[in-house]
Amino acid sequence: EAQVTQNPRYLITVTGKKLTVTCSQNMNHEYMSWYRQDPGLGLRQIYYSMNVEVTDKGDVPEGYKVSRKEKRNFPLILESPSPNQTSLYFCASSSRRDNSPLHFGNGTRLTVT
Amino acid sequence: GIQVEQSPPDLILQEGANSTLRCNFSDSVNNLQWFHQNPWGQLINLFYIPSGTKQNGRLSATTVATERYSLLYISSSQTTDSGVYFCAVRETGANNLFFGTGTRLTVIP
Repeated sequence: EAQVTQNPRYLITVTGKKLTVTCSQNMNHEYMSWYRQDPGLGLRQIYYSMNVEVTDKGDVPEGYKVSRKEKRNFPLILESPSPNQTSLYFCASSSRRDNSPLHFGNGTRLTVT
Repeated sequence: GIQVEQSPPDLILQEGANSTLRCNFSDSVNNLQWFHQNPWGQLINLFYIPSGTKQNGRLSATTVATERYSLLYISSSQTTDSGVYFCAVRETGANNLFFGTGTRLTVIP
């Protein structure tokens, strides 16, 4: 089954404790991205990647890192999480061909205390 | 960056009613998609529609790129249509998809 898999679904952590949210897709998509969703703000892009070893900042990259060493994986790293990073996070992927829709993972709800 | 505005922000319908959701954007786009976020938080792609009209069952969408808007029509609404509907666009020449803030639809039986 074609899918984007994020883990974990829920995560509670404390300020300053490094964490990684994993994202994997099995559709051989070139494009992958991370979004955060906050009430009243919609989805805002954190980072995106057009292909392996190519990553770029989105609208809200501060406090986050990503890597794209393999085509299927695009982990999101919070080196020193802070309470303002409490949010719902989504990973997404798509082909770079025309008419290619964006596929989302099921989300990761992160709480930083 | 490009501005994306969706209206109305909230909509409450009786089951069986029809509705129109609107997405306005500030610059020319080469990618426009509609998504539905269900009450469990899952985001499902409804349409890829940078121009023209598409239909899928009770849902249809029209994008008039020259006038910088897109419309999502929901006919004979059902309670399972409840959730938040997002429009996302990519400005011509850019790589990013920008999302609107969504329309929250509640369909009551």
